[in-house]
Amino acid sequence: AQKVTQAQTEISVVEKEDVTLDCVYETRDTTYYLFWYKQPPSGELVFLIRRNSFDEQNEISGRYSWNFQKSTSSFNFTITASQVVDSAVYFCALSERNSKLTFGKGITLSVRP
Amino acid sequence: DAGVIQSPRHEVTEMGQEVTLRCKPISGHDYLFWYRQTMMRGLELLIYFNNNVPIDDSGMPEDRFSAKMPNASFSTLKIQPSEPRDSAVYFCASSSGTGPYSNQPQHFGDGTRLSIL
Repeated sequence: AQKVTQAQTEISVVEKEDVTLDCVYETRDTTYYLFWYKQPPSGELVFLIRRNSFDEQNEISGRYSWNFQKSTSSFNFTITASQVVDSAVYFCALSERNSKLTFGKGITLSVRP
Repeated sequence: DAGVIQSPRHEVTEMGQEVTLRCKPISGHDYLFWYRQTMMRGLELLIYFNNNVPIDDSGMPEDRFSAKMPNASFSTLKIQPSEPRDSAVYFCASSSGTGPYSNQPQHFGDGTRLSIL
């Protein structure tokens, strides 16, 4: 069975600090997809990134970067120079071949001014 | 382009009443998902459809819950009779797919916050 573990539950940083959100997954499939979603205080879920199991290249999008390592079954998310608007709950999710998404419990990030 | 549209945004009703949640997926998306979010259990998949056909309803908690998708642009999730433990945020999501390994990102609606008194 697929499983996603986000061991950190709450993180608090001061604006402009870098912060890394950890995600560890379990799956028996060789083909799978990993996602990160953001849920701001307004409640909607916003898609951030999708990565397939055959592409281990790290990705950078502005202040966001993702580090995918199959050897450690991890897909970590780093926010550089955090801002107050980054305050949200961040979910890591895993999808095996049947389109079913399994979410982690989420990490609540608070960025203080 | 319009995203996934859910209605109502908030619903407060008394125990025993029927509740109907509505969802309009993104045009052209052929997968539709219903999720429930609670503090205790996090985000749970209830059911999903592909081309209007229910594929996996193993997450539906019990017979009081039912979901339909009469056409490609509309789905409902119904709870009858409702109970206080059904209080949660219910999300609808849609995605496109071109085969079993598509796993395209799911785009979520704003959710319906349901409170059963």
